[in-house]
Amino acid sequence: QSVLTQPPSASGTPGQRVTISCSGSSSNIGSNTVNWYQQLPGMAPKLLIYSNNQRPSGVPDRFSGSKSGTSASLAISGLQSEDEADYYCAAWDDSLNGVVFGGGTKLTVL
Amino acid sequence: QVQLVQSGAEVKKPGASVKVSCKASGYTFTSYGISWVRQAPGQGLEWMGWISAYNGDTNYAQKLQGRVTMTTDTSTSTAYMELRSLRSDDTAVYYCANVAAAGRFDYWGQGTLVTVSS
Repeated sequence: QSVLTQPPSASGTPGQRVTISCSGSSSNIGSNTVNWYQQLPGMAPKLLIYSNNQRPSGVPDRFSGSKSGTSASLAISGLQSEDEADYYCAAWDDSLNGVVFGGGTKLTVL
Repeated sequence: QVQLVQSGAEVKKPGASVKVSCKASGYTFTSYGISWVRQAPGQGLEWMGWISAYNGDTNYAQKLQGRVTMTTDTSTSTAYMELRSLRSDDTAVYYCANVAAAGRFDYWGQGTLVTVSS
């Protein structure tokens, strides 16, 4: 099992807003920033959100991130069919002295 | 534009070693570290470790200590990941990514499938 906990699946209809949670502990999310990755089917992951809530250039503002205590969330508003992908959270873990990932959430656009 | 281009797929027998390359372009290679991340079939992402392209410092995931070695060749802007004593559960797609900050991987290679099978 993964150090960071994500729901295995999420779904929504086009235009809806969905959120994906990522739960950790004081040694990872509680003391370090969270990054989110989007992995389209058959593709390499892509950085979606960094430093909790920052979007790299080119990422639509429909995607937003937040963090509170030892949990983080990714929100996707105005859901589109091309958002159907796997989403992963990641953070540095001070106890493990390494990067830890969530198990991933498969987003289905109904 | 930043590109990380990895070597091709490999098939190895249990107990063998594999060395995957990752050639970087479009940025100053020594300004960023390189991390390796793997993904077993149908599974999530697993961080394997990091190497500084500036001075060669490394930090490996605890579960891979002793079996993995990461190196760089600054003359060719290429990073390498060698995994030894391969087992069937090492079958995975291996990705390199450049490291902008801890846990933040801005650009990724296309992935290299390593299959371990007798």
